Amino acid sequence: AQTVTQSQPEMSVQEAETVTLSCTYDTSESDYYLFWYKQPPSRQMILVIRQEAYKQQNATENRFSVNFQKAAKSFSLKISDSQLGDAAMYFCAYSNFGNEKLTFGTGTRLTIIP
Amino acid sequence: EPEVTQTPSHQVTQMGQEVILRCVPISNHLYFYWYRQILGQKVEFLVSFYNNEISEKSEIFDDQFSVERPDGSNFTLKIRSTKLEDSAMYFCASSERTGDTEAFFGQGTRLTVV
Repeated sequence: AQTVTQSQPEMSVQEAETVTLSCTYDTSESDYYLFWYKQPPSRQMILVIRQEAYKQQNATENRFSVNFQKAAKSFSLKISDSQLGDAAMYFCAYSNFGNEKLTFGTGTRLTIIP
Repeated sequence: EPEVTQTPSHQVTQMGQEVILRCVPISNHLYFYWYRQILGQKVEFLVSFYNNEISEKSEIFDDQFSVERPDGSNFTLKIRSTKLEDSAMYFCASSERTGDTEAFFGQGTRLTVV
């Protein structure tokens, strides 16, 4: 079974600074997807960024980028120029290729310091 | 922008009672899911549903749980004979296809069993 581990229960960053959230996973599959979801106080989970395992290039979405290290099974999220609206729980998630089930990590609560 | 909607936002029920949690997925989506998040813990997969049948379910999804798509728009989760440990946030999600497309989440229903 696949597992997702987030070792940082809480992180904080000064507004406009850069922060990196860590995620490691375990799988025996070669094709899979990795995701970062944001859960603000409104509770709704919103997809931040997605990475296909077969792509060597790291995904980027505006201020959000990932460092995907397939051999190390590591998938960290970098948030540049942090904004107050980035404050939320961030969940790392995994799904097998062709399978819709998401396996989530325990989350990292990110606080932005004004 | 289309969204997944869930009702009610908060449900309080007495132990042993049946509850039905309702979800309206995005209209052109074909895959539907329920996830659960016990307070302070990670989001856990319950069940996925496609083509009017369950495609996968977790160990949590035992005989007290059932899902249904009673019409072309609603997707429901029924919990028979609720237990205290069923208290959690329940999230509905939907996606166009498996894996390579985004799963859109609703805002969740907070279920409190007393």
